[in-house]
Amino acid sequence: GQQLNQSPQSMFIQEGEDVSMNCTSSSIFNTWLWYKQDPGEGPVLLIALYKAGELTSNGRLTAQFGITRKDSFLNISASIPSDVGIYFCAGQLDNYGQNFVFGPGTRLSVLP
Amino acid sequence: NAGVTQTPKFRVLKTGQSMTLLCAQDMNHEYMYWYRQDPGMGLRLIHYSVGEGTTAKGEVPDGYNVSRLKKQNFLLGLESAAPSQTSVYFCASLNPGGATSGELFFGEGSRLTVL
Repeated sequence: GQQLNQSPQSMFIQEGEDVSMNCTSSSIFNTWLWYKQDPGEGPVLLIALYKAGELTSNGRLTAQFGITRKDSFLNISASIPSDVGIYFCAGQLDNYGQNFVFGPGTRLSVLP
Repeated sequence: NAGVTQTPKFRVLKTGQSMTLLCAQDMNHEYMYWYRQDPGMGLRLIHYSVGEGTTAKGEVPDGYNVSRLKKQNFLLGLESAAPSQTSVYFCASLNPGGATSGELFFGEGSRLTVL
């Protein structure tokens, strides 16, 4: 099946630093989604991207849908302790729903 | 403001036992999904449903069965549990074509251990 590659696998940063992570695929996607998972919880949607080249912000988070439709990045500015968690990218293959592919996740740790 | 609710949250089974995980959503979503999450791997789709009375296989369906008798409920069954099915299971729902099209809403997960 389709594969998504996420990098880095994990990262340790100081509070206040900016963070960047990305997701790549050999397949073209119609939608890119970024989710965050806190320990013991289900993933929660952070940002959804629906058009190639789209750049979308949600507070300190910014994500972009790559022009080739095969990649996306997520940036977090001025990290805070509550940013700790696992960040997953997901690609959707069609506009009517059942084909989502998830990346393996980036585990973020924020040091005080 | 329940959203997607999974029961049970935790379960320990012996090899060969059977069990059912229940997922309930109160958002009137058409599509529902069951995923499993294993360390270092992304969420993998087990089965999904695009409407009441319909189900389909996902990426890793073997050893599982599902039913969608009511729109709001999606059941995941393990007929004869195996240690390889030790995992965290997530249910999700989606409203296709709506304002939040593309957004999966997840439950809190069900942690299953098979001894």
